[in-house]
Order: sequence, then C-alpha cells, then structure tokens
Amino acid sequence: AQTVTQSQPEMSVQEAETVTLSCTYDTSENNYYLFWYKQPPSRQMILVIRQEAYKQQNATENRFSVNFQKAAKSFSLKISDSQLGDTAMYFCAHYSGAGSYQLTFGKGTKLSVIP
Amino acid sequence: DVKVTQSSRYLVKRTGEKVFLECVQDMDHENMFWYRQDPGLGLRLIYFSYDVKMKEKGDIPEGYSVSREKKERFSLILESASTNQTSMYLCASSVYMGSYNEQFFGPGTRLTVL
Repeated sequence: AQTVTQSQPEMSVQEAETVTLSCTYDTSENNYYLFWYKQPPSRQMILVIRQEAYKQQNATENRFSVNFQKAAKSFSLKISDSQLGDTAMYFCAHYSGAGSYQLTFGKGTKLSVIP
Repeated sequence: DVKVTQSSRYLVKRTGEKVFLECVQDMDHENMFWYRQDPGLGLRLIYFSYDVKMKEKGDIPEGYSVSREKKERFSLILESASTNQTSMYLCASSVYMGSYNEQFFGPGTRLTVL
C-alpha cells in the first residue's frame, strides 16, 4: 500500500519570499503520479501541480514548482514570491496509475503567508 | 468548469439520527468519492463509486453507507450518527485523463453530531 508523509504540519512565510513544502512517499510501483492540492480557508480544494513519475523534468506552474527525486521518493513543492492568497492547507497525493481510482493523501501542511 | 456541489456547507445532527449527505457533479464523470477530513489526519477515503449502482469500500467505511442511483449523484449515509463522526466531509468526482484520474472536489460539508 502507498503511504504519503508530510512532515511539516504548519509553516509560515513572509509575503514575497520563497517557501518549500516537503513530501515523501512510499510505493512499489515504477510508474505513478504525484499531486499537490491546495485548500484555502473555507474554499474548495484545487489541484496546484502534477508530476508524472517517468518524466525526469520537474513540473512548473507559474510560481509553483516541484523538486521530484524519484530514487529518494521525495516530492517537494516550492512556492516563489509568496502571496497572501497562498495561505491554505496543502496536501501531497499519490496516484498509482492505470486501473486505480484512488488517491492517497498526506496529512497536510498548513501554510500561512505573513504580510 | 467542473462543478461538484454538496447539499449543505454546515449540518448539525443528534446522536442516533440518520444523516444523508448529497453530492452532485455536472460533468458526466464516471467516478465519485467520499472523503473524511480531520485535523492531523488528512483526507481518508470512506467509499467510492466507479459506475451507477457500483460502490467500493475505502479505508474507513465503518458506520457509513453510500448510494449511487444516478451517474451525477452520490450520497453518503450515516445510518445512526455518532459523535465520533463529527468531521468535514468532502465529495469528489474524477475523470480519466488518458493515463491518470484527476479528481475535482466539492466545497465540503462540516457535520457536527451532538
């Protein structure tokens, strides 16, 4: 069974600074997907970024980028130029691939952006 | 845009009551999910459905049941609510994107059982 670990329950960052959220996972599969989801206070969870395990290039979406280290089973999220709207819970999730419907989520990291 | 809606944002029920949480998606997605979200525990899968009238247990199905009579609607049922079922409940639907399933979430229902 897959497990996803987020070791930082809470973090804070000054506005305009850069912050990195950590995620490690355990899987026996060779091809899979990893996701970061964002859940703002009292708002819907949305997908931030996606990484396919067989792609070596790290995914990037505007100010959000990942550092994917397949051998180390590490998948961190970097937020550059942090904005107040980045304040949210962030969840790392693993999807095992074809034939599977399920995501396995980490416990989340609560990020606060301080003005 | 994909829209996943849940019948209530906040719900207060008494111990022993039968509780229905409704979820509707408007994008013809095959798969639908019910999660429970608790502080420090993340999201835990209760049940999911990959087709009408089909259901599969997730990680924590005890005390819950589900119903999917129509493709767009997935209901979570608490037959006899208990205080330890006080939680945030999230519904999601997913679509196959060629090699993975992308999940879209509803706004959540915060249930309090007194």
